[in-house]
Amino acid sequence: EVQLVQSGAEVKKPGESLKISCKGSGYSFTSYWIGWVRQMPGKGLEWMGIIYPGDSDTRYSPSFQGQVTISADKSISTAYLQWSSLKASDTAMYYCARREYYGDYVWFDPWGQGTLVTVSS
Amino acid sequence: EIVLTQSPGTLSLSPGERATLSCRASQSVSSSYLAWYQQKPGQAPRLLIYGASSRATGIPDRFSGSGSGTDFTLTISRLEPEDFAVYYCQQYGSSPETFGQGTKVEIK
Repeated sequence: EVQLVQSGAEVKKPGESLKISCKGSGYSFTSYWIGWVRQMPGKGLEWMGIIYPGDSDTRYSPSFQGQVTISADKSISTAYLQWSSLKASDTAMYYCARREYYGDYVWFDPWGQGTLVTVSS
Repeated sequence: EIVLTQSPGTLSLSPGERATLSCRASQSVSSSYLAWYQQKPGQAPRLLIYGASSRATGIPDRFSGSGSGTDFTLTISRLEPEDFAVYYCQQYGSSPETFGQGTKVEIK
């Protein structure tokens, strides 16, 4: 079974750093892009960026470029999303998802269960 | 950046009724690169439709997708109680691979 399992909920203070993870299993981790999606409380989905673990090629949304870092460690089939200095506005649920493809078709499936990040003083 | 605008914001319907959800793109999107997701409270999004009209594995045939260019539609032919949720469209045609703002389908 293809599965993405994310790290647990985090509570942090403004200015602190954080790295959350997304571990893939049941497929060749290096052959599929992994994406990160933000969902602020009561709001919609926002595409943050994607990484190809095979060569660490990474693309960011302009809205998130410079605000977060996406990385991957293919030796342990894990992708990461990290912040160097958190803000209260980073409080959100963060999802990872595998970017599946078939011919010309592309979609996100499966999704991780989400990691809730709360930033509060 | 391609902006996806979903309408209506909220759809109030009764079980058994037909739901029609719209997703309009600010520029043309290849049909191959348009997907729909369902999200229920406290859950991760779930893939419903890819390639604008292909149902994902296990998705009931009351869900259908159509459209091309800048106008796409998700139709739920007869609403079941479990279909009341928020629905998002997403385009993969160009980076960033944006989502629409969502349509909430609520019980009337």
